[in-house]
Amino acid sequence: DTAVSQTPKYLVTQMGNDKSIKCEQNLGHDTMYWYKQDSKKFLKIMFSYNNKELIINETVPNRFSPKSPDKAHLNLHINSLELGDSAVYFCASSPRPPGSYNSPLHFGNGTRLTVT
Amino acid sequence: AQSVTQLGSHVSVSEGALVLLRCNYSSSVPPYLFWYVQYPNQGLQLLLKYTTGATLVKGINGFEAEFKKSETSFHLTKPSAHMSDAAEYFCAVSWGSGGLTFGKGTHLIIQP
Repeated sequence: DTAVSQTPKYLVTQMGNDKSIKCEQNLGHDTMYWYKQDSKKFLKIMFSYNNKELIINETVPNRFSPKSPDKAHLNLHINSLELGDSAVYFCASSPRPPGSYNSPLHFGNGTRLTVT
Repeated sequence: AQSVTQLGSHVSVSEGALVLLRCNYSSSVPPYLFWYVQYPNQGLQLLLKYTTGATLVKGINGFEAEFKKSETSFHLTKPSAHMSDAAEYFCAVSWGSGGLTFGKGTHLIIQP
């Protein structure tokens, strides 16, 4: 059973386009995240939602807009794609509310975005 | 701000040899620390986590890590490397809003 699933797995698009990545978790977790992994494997948090409410919004261009229709879903929409947006985007979820320090994150398998 | 530093972007060991991956943390309060593994083209999988209490933490796949407050370290070890251990390993620290800050990763290479 897939715990955190992302679609699509691969996304190739041209500069200037708008694209979305979808994420769903069936773990019953309250908190979901988007992380970006660059070409050097560095992972950086982008957003976090708890029960559909935005709680973390790191320094991310406002071309990136997360949407959480319910606590099991957290989608990422990207407008006016740029070459520098090429990366692997990971969705993750956590069982505990914010401030619960010892909660591990459960990750999806990632979406590899290539902007040409 | 809390952070972790992983020493060595690449570590190469022979199959059957000891694996040692280094992680040092920077935290003004007792940290919550994690090790994750990423196999090629996959997401991150939790290997083990440290909360307060026992200093030696056992994880999956024969890995363990020792928390040393005096050295602000949380190094990952495995007594005998297997070819299937080849992957990217990340140390991470938990912070206020429930997110994790990751180290830059260590690529583990297993020589036959």
